[in-house]
Amino acid sequence: DIQMTQSPPSLSASAGESVTITCRASQDIFRYLNWYQQKPGEAPKLLIREVSDLEAGVPSRFSGSGSGTDFTFTISSLQPDDIATYYCQQFENFPLTFGGGTKVEI
Amino acid sequence: QVQVQQWGAGLVRPSGTLSLSCAVTGASFTGNYWSWIRQSPEKGLEWIGEINHRGTANYNPSLKSRVTLSLDTSKTQFSLTVTSVTAADTAVYFCVRLRSGNFMDVWGKGTRVTVSS
Repeated sequence: DIQMTQSPPSLSASAGESVTITCRASQDIFRYLNWYQQKPGEAPKLLIREVSDLEAGVPSRFSGSGSGTDFTFTISSLQPDDIATYYCQQFENFPLTFGGGTKVEI
Repeated sequence: QVQVQQWGAGLVRPSGTLSLSCAVTGASFTGNYWSWIRQSPEKGLEWIGEINHRGTANYNPSLKSRVTLSLDTSKTQFSLTVTSVTAADTAVYFCVRLRSGNFMDVWGKGTRVTVSS
């Protein structure tokens, strides 16, 4: 299985600050990586697919980059509504696997 | 708007069988994969498997011996069965549309399943 390692496990930042989450794959996954947001008590929501393509309706303050084994997810100006846990997910190979999540707090 | 609505038993006895179903509205089965994901504090988000409109299924090897995915195209419903459950199968289970087999863009609300006697 491809292991996905996210860091940090949690972070706290002020509103308006930029935050960055990293996701590292245990092997080359090219650009086969998605990002999800999960708020407490809700299902995950797809934010970004294939590294950097924002889903419709997702604010432009969210962005992603990377390729190979190292990827980043950035919120350029943190908003109170962004309080959630964020997950990366690879689809280069079966089984599909997720990172352990990064909890973002203000 | 595509929606998936899921249901099933929330309590299953150890060694019993977990069964969940999901109804799809607003979309055809064709051209998509339909998947199940579970989430627990111990294992995080775990992909269980996927099935397409032809009934072709792929499973997580860690669960393959106990899991069956099926679908009813006439009702646009798909189902999950997990046999010989243990406490390790306690989790919130989500049904999901797996678009192009790659990204999960429609999620059910989740069903909390507890394995306990």
